[in-house]
Amino acid sequence: QSVLTQPPSASGTPGQRVTISCSGGSSNIGSNTVNWYQQLPGTAPKLLIYSNNQRPSGGPDRFSGSKSGTSASLAISGLQSEDEADYYCAAWDDSLNGYVFGTGTKVTAL
Amino acid sequence: EVQLVQSGAEVKRPGESLRISCKGSGYNFTTYWIAWVRQMPGKGLEWMGIIYPGDSDTRYSPSFQGQVTISADRSFTTAYVQWSSLKASDTAIYYCARRTNWAGDAFDIWGQGTMVTVSS
Repeated sequence: QSVLTQPPSASGTPGQRVTISCSGGSSNIGSNTVNWYQQLPGTAPKLLIYSNNQRPSGGPDRFSGSKSGTSASLAISGLQSEDEADYYCAAWDDSLNGYVFGTGTKVTAL
Repeated sequence: EVQLVQSGAEVKRPGESLRISCKGSGYNFTTYWIAWVRQMPGKGLEWMGIIYPGDSDTRYSPSFQGQVTISADRSFTTAYVQWSSLKASDTAIYYCARRTNWAGDAFDIWGQGTMVTVSS
C-alpha cells in the first residue's frame, strides 16, 4: 500500500497539457525531494524528473515537475502519442526509512 | 556505456529457492547504491531494499525484511536478491536500479528486469 497517492489515469489530445498530481505527507514529500519515473509499456522505468523539478541530461523539456508542501505534480506540455505510459512519483520516507513510489498514473493520448 | 544487466527469466515451484542477479558495468560499481524494485503483474512499483556494494551496507523495506536477502559481490560487480522459499505471491518482475550520486536519491540507471514466475 503506497503512501503516495496519484490519480489512476489522465488523458489529453495531442498537443494538450496534462498534469498528474502526487499527494504525500510530512515524512516523505514534505521533507524530501520528489522524483518522477516514466514506464513505457513493457519496459523498465526511466528517470524523468529528479529533485522536484530537474530534468536529466537529454530529457524532453515538455516534462516539468513542481512541489508544494506535501504534494507534487508532473506536467506534460504538448502531449505526444509517445508519452503514453505509466508515470510514478517517488520520494524517501523518513518514517518508513525507505523509498516510496506513488500508486502510478496511466497517461493516454486520445 | 553505463548499464545494469539482469539475469534471465525464471520459472520456479513454491518452496524452491532462487537468486537473481544484476551486473553493473561502465562505472565504479562500489560507489553507488543499488536498489531492488518489485512490480507484480499489472501493478505499481515497490521498493524492496538497497545495498552499497562498497561495504555491503544493506537496508530493507519493512514489507520485504525477512522475506528476501540482498547482497553484492564487488569482484563480480554484481548485486543479488535471493529467496529461500518462494511463494506464488513472489511472481513479479524484479528491477535493479542505481541510486545516483548527483541527483539525491533518484535512480538513474535501471536494469531490464527479471521476470520471476512461481507456480505449481
